Amino acid sequence: NAGVTQTPKFRVLKTGQSMTLLCAQDMNHEYMYWYRQDPGMGLRLIHYSVGEGTTAKGEVPDGYNVSRLKKQNFLLGLESAAPSQTSVYFCASLGDRGSISNQPQHFGDGTRLSIL
Amino acid sequence: RKEVEQDPGPFNVPEGATVAFNCTYSNSASQSFFWYRQDCRKEPKLLMSVYSSGNEDGRFTAQLNRASQYISLLIRDSKLSDSATYLCVVMNSNSGYALNFGKGTSLLVTP
Repeated sequence: NAGVTQTPKFRVLKTGQSMTLLCAQDMNHEYMYWYRQDPGMGLRLIHYSVGEGTTAKGEVPDGYNVSRLKKQNFLLGLESAAPSQTSVYFCASLGDRGSISNQPQHFGDGTRLSIL
Repeated sequence: RKEVEQDPGPFNVPEGATVAFNCTYSNSASQSFFWYRQDCRKEPKLLMSVYSSGNEDGRFTAQLNRASQYISLLIRDSKLSDSATYLCVVMNSNSGYALNFGKGTSLLVTP
């Protein structure tokens, strides 16, 4: 049981390049999230999804797009990377709709992204 | 103002010491409360949930005061392995049960 898997783990991009970060979970979770973590800032929510085919904006969505075409996958896209998007990106998932409020979110290992 | 505020530290304590972390949150409608632990920018890991009645897990005790919107974590008999960043986390039912993280409090336990 792999839990939450993020791909890639590291990436260096040039300004203006595009890329997609993949998050995959094998726990049949409904909810999925993308967070970013910058030094001294804590984790901040970029986008989230409450189920297959749905997405919504979080606290810091600008410059990112997401898709949830399959329940197990949540993709985060950078259309035109900027140095301000240099960060560590964490994906997380959360369980069934029935008993959410005290369930822990399951996190991936993170993707370390540098934009030059 | 950030929704979850906590003292960034660092807290440097000797092994065996007792250390307390505090946190405040601004959204009175917040539903669930947690302490997470994070090591060296690795993924956050759940340490414990926090309840109004208080809860204890070994050397760790967490407390929630809804009236004051205040959350605490007490670590007794600190171990070297407790060195990490401790994240105060609040969950609201809006934003799809996403988590709101404090910036974290850094703890270094020294021999």
